[in-house]
Amino acid sequence: EVQLVESGGGLVLPGGSLRLSCAASGFTFSSYEMNWVRQAPGKGLEWLSYISTSGSTIYYADSVKGRFTISRDNAKNSLYLQMNSLRAEDTAVYYCARVSGMWAPHDHWGQGTLVTVSS
Amino acid sequence: EIVMTQSPATLSVSPGERATLSCRASQSVSSNLAWYQQRPGQAPRFLIYGASSRASGIPARFSGSGSGTEFTLTISSLQSEDFAVYYCQQYNNWPRTFGQGTKVEIK
Repeated sequence: EVQLVESGGGLVLPGGSLRLSCAASGFTFSSYEMNWVRQAPGKGLEWLSYISTSGSTIYYADSVKGRFTISRDNAKNSLYLQMNSLRAEDTAVYYCARVSGMWAPHDHWGQGTLVTVSS
Repeated sequence: EIVMTQSPATLSVSPGERATLSCRASQSVSSNLAWYQQRPGQAPRFLIYGASSRASGIPARFSGSGSGTEFTLTISSLQSEDFAVYYCQQYNNWPRTFGQGTKVEIK
Protein backbone atom coordinates (compact mmCIF):
# COMPACT_ATOMS: atom_id res chain seq x y z
CA GLU A 1 0.00 0.00 0.00
CA VAL A 2 1.29 3.43 -0.96
CA GLN A 3 1.85 5.59 2.11
CA LEU A 4 3.01 9.19 2.35
CA VAL A 5 3.48 10.63 5.82
CA GLU A 6 4.29 14.30 6.31
CA SER A 7 5.94 15.69 9.42
CA GLY A 8 7.68 18.81 10.63
CA GLY A 9 4.76 21.21 10.81
CA GLY A 10 4.12 23.51 13.74
CA LEU A 11 3.99 27.08 14.95
CA VAL A 12 6.67 29.43 13.64
CA LEU A 13 7.25 33.16 13.89
CA PRO A 14 6.98 35.37 10.80
CA GLY A 15 10.34 35.43 9.09
CA GLY A 16 11.23 32.06 10.53
CA SER A 17 12.08 28.75 8.90
CA LEU A 18 10.73 25.24 8.96
CA ARG A 19 11.62 22.01 7.22
CA LEU A 20 8.89 19.59 6.25
CA SER A 21 9.49 15.92 5.54
CA CYS A 22 7.47 13.33 3.68
CA ALA A 23 8.26 9.67 4.33
CA ALA A 24 7.26 7.35 1.49
CA SER A 25 6.60 3.63 1.64
CA GLY A 26 4.81 0.92 -0.33
CA PHE A 27 6.34 1.88 -3.68
CA THR A 28 9.73 2.46 -5.32
CA PHE A 29 10.21 6.07 -4.27
CA SER A 30 13.12 6.70 -6.62
CA SER A 31 10.91 5.94 -9.63
CA TYR A 32 8.32 8.63 -8.95
CA GLU A 33 8.24 12.39 -9.21
CA MET A 34 6.89 14.23 -6.19
CA ASN A 35 5.10 17.46 -5.40
CA TRP A 36 4.12 19.69 -2.50
CA VAL A 37 0.62 21.16 -2.37
CA ARG A 38 -0.86 23.33 0.36
CA GLN A 39 -4.29 24.36 1.57
CA ALA A 40 -4.86 27.47 3.65
CA PRO A 41 -7.61 27.19 6.28
CA GLY A 42 -10.99 27.09 4.58
CA LYS A 43 -9.45 27.60 1.14
CA GLY A 44 -8.67 25.56 -1.94
CA LEU A 45 -5.60 23.65 -3.06
CA GLU A 46 -2.44 25.41 -4.20
CA TRP A 47 0.37 23.56 -6.00
CA LEU A 48 3.78 24.63 -4.69
CA SER A 49 6.61 22.59 -6.12
CA TYR A 50 7.68 19.60 -8.23
CA ILE A 51 10.83 17.50 -8.21
CA SER A 52 11.86 14.87 -10.73
CA THR A 53 13.04 11.39 -9.78
CA SER A 54 16.70 12.36 -9.68
CA GLY A 55 16.13 15.87 -8.39
CA SER A 56 17.57 17.38 -11.53
CA THR A 57 14.34 19.11 -12.56
CA ILE A 58 12.49 21.35 -10.12
CA TYR A 59 9.62 23.79 -10.49
CA TYR A 60 8.08 26.25 -8.03
CA ALA A 61 4.97 28.37 -7.80
CA ASP A 62 5.74 32.08 -7.94
CA SER A 63 4.31 32.46 -4.42
CA VAL A 64 7.18 30.46 -2.90
CA LYS A 65 10.00 30.83 -5.42
CA GLY A 66 13.17 32.02 -3.72
CA ARG A 67 11.85 31.17 -0.25
CA PHE A 68 11.07 27.44 -0.41
CA THR A 69 13.38 24.64 -1.55
CA ILE A 70 12.23 21.16 -2.50
CA SER A 71 14.63 18.22 -2.26
CA ARG A 72 14.62 14.46 -1.95
CA ASP A 73 16.76 11.64 -0.60
CA ASN A 74 16.02 8.49 -2.56
CA ALA A 75 18.16 6.39 -0.21
CA LYS A 76 15.91 7.45 2.67
CA ASN A 77 12.64 7.37 0.67
CA SER A 78 12.04 10.93 1.74
CA LEU A 79 10.91 14.24 0.29
CA TYR A 80 11.61 17.58 1.92
CA LEU A 81 10.44 21.18 1.78
CA GLN A 82 12.71 23.79 3.34
CA MET A 83 10.65 26.88 4.03
CA ASN A 84 12.39 30.19 4.80
CA SER A 85 11.17 33.76 5.30
CA LEU A 86 7.77 32.47 6.33
CA ARG A 87 4.77 34.80 6.21
CA ALA A 88 1.34 34.69 7.77
CA GLU A 89 -0.10 33.79 4.37
CA ASP A 90 1.99 30.59 4.36
CA THR A 91 -0.25 29.23 7.13
CA ALA A 92 -1.75 26.06 5.66
CA VAL A 93 -1.86 22.30 5.67
CA TYR A 94 1.01 21.06 3.53
CA TYR A 95 0.58 17.84 1.54
CA CYS A 96 3.12 15.79 -0.33
CA ALA A 97 1.73 14.07 -3.41
CA ARG A 98 3.10 11.50 -5.82
CA VAL A 99 2.93 11.73 -9.59
CA SER A 100 3.81 8.96 -12.03
CA GLY A 101 5.40 11.23 -14.58
CA MET A 102 5.91 14.90 -15.35
CA TRP A 103 2.59 14.96 -17.26
CA ALA A 104 0.57 13.05 -14.71
CA PRO A 105 -1.91 13.84 -11.94
CA HIS A 106 -1.31 13.58 -8.20
CA ASP A 107 -2.31 9.97 -7.67
CA HIS A 108 -1.49 9.58 -3.96
CA TRP A 109 -1.50 12.17 -1.19
CA GLY A 110 -0.26 12.24 2.37
CA GLN A 111 -2.50 13.25 5.26
CA GLY A 112 -0.88 16.66 5.54
CA THR A 113 0.97 18.62 8.19
CA LEU A 114 -0.19 21.98 9.54
CA VAL A 115 2.11 24.97 9.44
CA THR A 116 1.03 28.05 11.38
CA VAL A 117 2.94 31.29 10.93
CA SER A 118 2.03 33.68 13.70
CA SER A 119 3.55 35.90 16.34
CA GLU B 1 -0.67 30.77 -15.59
CA ILE B 2 -3.75 28.79 -16.56
CA VAL B 3 -6.78 29.76 -14.50
CA MET B 4 -9.21 26.95 -13.70
CA THR B 5 -12.76 28.09 -12.95
CA GLN B 6 -15.27 25.69 -11.39
CA SER B 7 -19.01 26.10 -11.29
CA PRO B 8 -21.17 26.19 -9.37
CA ALA B 9 -19.43 27.02 -6.10
CA THR B 10 -22.03 24.98 -4.22
CA LEU B 11 -24.37 22.31 -5.55
CA SER B 12 -27.31 21.12 -3.46
CA VAL B 13 -28.40 17.63 -4.44
CA SER B 14 -30.61 14.96 -2.91
CA PRO B 15 -29.18 11.47 -2.33
CA GLY B 16 -29.74 9.31 -5.39
CA GLU B 17 -29.83 12.26 -7.76
CA ARG B 18 -27.30 13.18 -10.42
CA ALA B 19 -24.69 15.89 -9.88
CA THR B 20 -22.97 17.70 -12.71
CA LEU B 21 -19.89 19.81 -11.95
CA SER B 22 -18.12 22.05 -14.46
CA CYS B 23 -14.52 23.14 -14.86
CA ARG B 24 -13.24 25.62 -17.39
CA ALA B 25 -9.62 26.35 -18.28
CA SER B 26 -8.46 29.80 -19.42
CA GLN B 27 -6.56 28.11 -22.28
CA SER B 28 -6.43 24.61 -23.67
CA VAL B 29 -5.05 21.91 -21.39
CA SER B 30 -5.74 19.15 -23.92
CA SER B 31 -6.97 16.17 -21.84
CA ASN B 32 -4.48 16.73 -19.03
CA LEU B 33 -7.21 17.31 -16.47
CA ALA B 34 -7.77 15.54 -13.16
CA TRP B 35 -10.53 15.58 -10.57
CA TYR B 36 -10.12 15.13 -6.83
CA GLN B 37 -12.57 14.67 -3.98
CA GLN B 38 -11.94 16.11 -0.53
CA ARG B 39 -14.08 15.18 2.45
CA PRO B 40 -13.91 17.38 5.58
CA GLY B 41 -10.69 16.91 7.51
CA GLN B 42 -9.23 14.55 4.91
CA ALA B 43 -6.60 14.74 2.20
CA PRO B 44 -7.71 14.99 -1.42
CA ARG B 45 -8.57 11.71 -3.11
CA PHE B 46 -7.68 11.10 -6.74
CA LEU B 47 -10.77 10.37 -8.89
CA ILE B 48 -10.27 11.05 -12.60
CA TYR B 49 -7.28 11.52 -14.92
CA GLY B 50 -6.98 12.26 -18.60
CA ALA B 51 -10.30 14.08 -18.25
CA SER B 52 -12.31 10.87 -18.45
CA SER B 53 -10.44 7.87 -17.00
CA ARG B 54 -11.33 6.69 -13.52
CA ALA B 55 -8.53 6.10 -11.05
CA SER B 56 -8.13 2.67 -9.52
CA GLY B 57 -10.94 1.77 -7.15
CA ILE B 58 -13.20 4.68 -8.08
CA PRO B 59 -16.85 3.67 -8.47
CA ALA B 60 -18.42 3.74 -11.92
CA ARG B 61 -20.94 6.37 -10.82
CA PHE B 62 -18.12 8.90 -11.24
CA SER B 63 -17.46 9.92 -14.83
CA GLY B 64 -15.54 12.70 -16.49
CA SER B 65 -15.74 14.25 -19.92
CA GLY B 66 -14.38 17.11 -21.98
CA SER B 67 -11.16 18.29 -23.56
CA GLY B 68 -9.47 21.55 -24.37
CA THR B 69 -11.05 24.11 -22.07
CA GLU B 70 -14.39 22.63 -20.96
CA PHE B 71 -14.69 19.69 -18.59
CA THR B 72 -17.43 17.99 -16.61
CA LEU B 73 -17.52 15.62 -13.65
CA THR B 74 -20.77 13.70 -13.29
CA ILE B 75 -21.83 11.67 -10.27
CA SER B 76 -24.72 9.59 -11.53
CA SER B 77 -26.46 8.73 -8.26
CA LEU B 78 -25.17 10.50 -5.18
CA GLN B 79 -24.34 8.39 -2.17
CA SER B 80 -23.90 9.77 1.34
CA GLU B 81 -20.12 9.49 1.10
CA ASP B 82 -20.06 11.62 -2.07
CA PHE B 83 -21.00 14.83 -0.29
CA ALA B 84 -17.68 16.62 -0.35
CA VAL B 85 -15.68 19.28 -2.17
CA TYR B 86 -14.45 18.49 -5.68
CA TYR B 87 -11.45 20.09 -7.35
CA CYS B 88 -10.29 20.02 -10.95
CA GLN B 89 -6.58 20.40 -11.78
CA GLN B 90 -4.67 20.88 -15.00
CA TYR B 91 -1.31 19.16 -15.42
CA ASN B 92 -0.60 20.37 -18.94
CA ASN B 93 1.36 23.49 -18.03
CA TRP B 94 3.53 24.89 -15.26
CA PRO B 95 2.51 25.98 -12.73
CA ARG B 96 -0.02 23.27 -12.07
CA THR B 97 -3.29 24.92 -11.12
CA PHE B 98 -6.45 23.86 -9.34
CA GLY B 99 -9.97 25.16 -9.58
CA GLN B 100 -11.43 26.80 -6.49
CA GLY B 101 -13.63 23.79 -5.79
CA THR B 102 -17.31 22.86 -5.92
CA LYS B 103 -18.98 21.84 -2.69
CA VAL B 104 -21.63 19.16 -3.15
CA GLU B 105 -24.03 19.36 -0.23
CA ILE B 106 -27.14 17.49 0.80
CA LYS B 107 -30.34 19.14 -0.32
